[in-house]
Amino acid sequence: KAGVTQTPRYLIKTRGQQVTLSCSPISGHRSVSWYQQTPGQGLQFLFEYFSETQRNKGNFPGRFSGRQFSNSRSEMNVSTLELGDSALYLCASSSQGRNTEAFFGQGTRLTVV
Amino acid sequence: AQSVSQHNHHVILSEAASLELGCNYSYGGTVNLFWYVQYPGQHLQLLLKYFSGDPLVKGIKGFEAEFIKSKFSFNLRKPSVQWSDTAEYFCAVYTSGTYKYIFGTGTRLKVLA
Repeated sequence: KAGVTQTPRYLIKTRGQQVTLSCSPISGHRSVSWYQQTPGQGLQFLFEYFSETQRNKGNFPGRFSGRQFSNSRSEMNVSTLELGDSALYLCASSSQGRNTEAFFGQGTRLTVV
Repeated sequence: AQSVSQHNHHVILSEAASLELGCNYSYGGTVNLFWYVQYPGQHLQLLLKYFSGDPLVKGIKGFEAEFIKSKFSFNLRKPSVQWSDTAEYFCAVYTSGTYKYIFGTGTRLKVLA
């Protein structure tokens, strides 16, 4: 069973640009969530999608957005990039149900210069 | 607001030493508790999880954790660490209805051979 796949693995962007990151969940998983990981801050929740609906959103500015497609694949977009957006962006998928666990992808390392 | 605290940010141990990493959370309701590990250059992997039942849970690679409800704690233990346990460890809480995991800031463990 394939794991969570995130593309691209690495990105270098310039301030002011926008970026789109992609996540393919484990087959059969309909919940996809995104986290930002930075040294000292740990993992910060960005948003969660289930069946194309955003069910929760973290405390990030509106420049951060996401969506989920009918095949459960998800994308997140960051517009008007700032230096502080440099981080590892992690995608996690899980199956529906009360007692489930999240499976994480390798992440996309975004560097803003 | 819900939060997770990991008391040790950096831990250095010699091989065969015992390990205990502290984790406390703030939430009064029912929670699912997790420990994840991130080996250098790898994705987050689940070490162990607690949903209900026996508060002492065993995970992979000889790790175990004890849920103490009265103390809102979920400490991770291993009787004898190995060099290969060098990694970053994250405690996480999932609460029903929020659709998000709240992570601690992580503990970097370095095991000296």
